[in-house]
Amino acid sequence: GESVGLHLPTLSVQEGDNSIINCAYSNSASDYFIWYKQESGKGPQFIIDIRSNMDKRQGQRVTVLLNKTVKHLSLQIAATQPGDSAVYFCAENIYGGSQGNLIFGKGTKLSVKP
Amino acid sequence: DVKVTQSSRYLVKRTGEKVFLECVQDMDHENMFWYRQDPGLGLRLIYFSYDVKMKEKGDIPEGYSVSREKKERFSLILESASTNQTSMYLCASSLKGSLEYNEQFFGPGTRLTVL
Repeated sequence: GESVGLHLPTLSVQEGDNSIINCAYSNSASDYFIWYKQESGKGPQFIIDIRSNMDKRQGQRVTVLLNKTVKHLSLQIAATQPGDSAVYFCAENIYGGSQGNLIFGKGTKLSVKP
Repeated sequence: DVKVTQSSRYLVKRTGEKVFLECVQDMDHENMFWYRQDPGLGLRLIYFSYDVKMKEKGDIPEGYSVSREKKERFSLILESASTNQTSMYLCASSLKGSLEYNEQFFGPGTRLTVL
């Protein structure tokens, strides 16, 4: 979810378990959403995206769910691995608007215990 | 393989120095962005550019300027570095156009320390 103060929310899971990371987005007009993964010392990397005409999209071991009614996005990671340890954050965009400016959430830190 | 590169991974400068951060993308993207990232504050947009020689202020432009003389290169300039500009700086690029969904591709980041 969204961070409070200076500390990132942290999700700690056991290796092999499923992880669910949540994000509340801000703009009801947003119609495109992205999840990024950022490992320590690296730039963010694209994981998966979803358009507002969908409520679910699956990738390899990841699923994104979109609930437009409550402006909520979630990222599910199946069979979490140590390499999944990173900060995950969502981003939203308005289709055709603002020349591609994304609005980013503050992130959630995922920690995977071996 | 798409790539956004930044000139330095780590940089240490002194207060008052002029600092240049360079970003190059090889994807022929029209849009380029500069962010800073601080713990607990997420990504904050400093400046962005839609095209060569075009620039727009983001959320926190104070103390920064940018230059886009070529499509592939977007430079961030700290006119007179201050300690509160110590941060991780991230460059990103994306395709332009209302028919495109605008995934941004990020560089590896430059960790700047101002003493």
